[in-house]
Amino acid sequence: DTGVSQNPRHKITKRGQNVTFRCDPISEHNRLYWYRQTLGQGPEFLTYFQNEAQLEKSRLLSDRFSAERPKGSFSTLEIQRTEQGDSAMYLCASSKERDEQFFGPGTRLTVL
Amino acid sequence: DAKTTQPPSMDCAEGRAANLPCNHSTISGNEYVYWYRQIHSQGPQYIIHGLKNNETNEMASLIITEDRKSSTLILPHATLRDTAVYYCIVHYNQGGKLIFGQGTELSVKP
Repeated sequence: DTGVSQNPRHKITKRGQNVTFRCDPISEHNRLYWYRQTLGQGPEFLTYFQNEAQLEKSRLLSDRFSAERPKGSFSTLEIQRTEQGDSAMYLCASSKERDEQFFGPGTRLTVL
Repeated sequence: DAKTTQPPSMDCAEGRAANLPCNHSTISGNEYVYWYRQIHSQGPQYIIHGLKNNETNEMASLIITEDRKSSTLILPHATLRDTAVYYCIVHYNQGGKLIFGQGTELSVKP
């Protein structure tokens, strides 16, 4: 069990650029979740997958956000035309069926 | 919105028990109480969960009142490494999203 990994750990970009984050879940976990966390707040749910199917999306996930999990293994979260308000920590978690969620270390995005 | 209410901050002396309260007066019959914690600059970490019976594991104990409207997380011998934000979450235990509130920032002091 190597844990959930996320890359990159930090990303600085200019407003208007596109960014993509990757999450590698624990190998036998079929569920994968994305959350966003801003300073001083608890994590907010964005979306989750069961295998390759995206089962739920938050209204926080605007049209500029897209998430994929093409083969039911790793996942990517892309933000197009970034805005300063997108600056946050993006957290990925995985779980085996209904078990507890294991979180990765997060990707910290700074939009200048 | 989160269905839980927690104090924003608490202090605890190292080596003493830390008792973190949580109110969840609108919890439904098949919702579990989950606790996670988040150490600074890390992702949240699962601690424990329960439905109505008290639970204990190697990290903590969870005491749920008989009416299930509140609970307490107990760290029996707090260490400096237990300094973190602790989140109490009600959840259906069917997978799916966790709804985090503001949590309690626990500071363990020497």
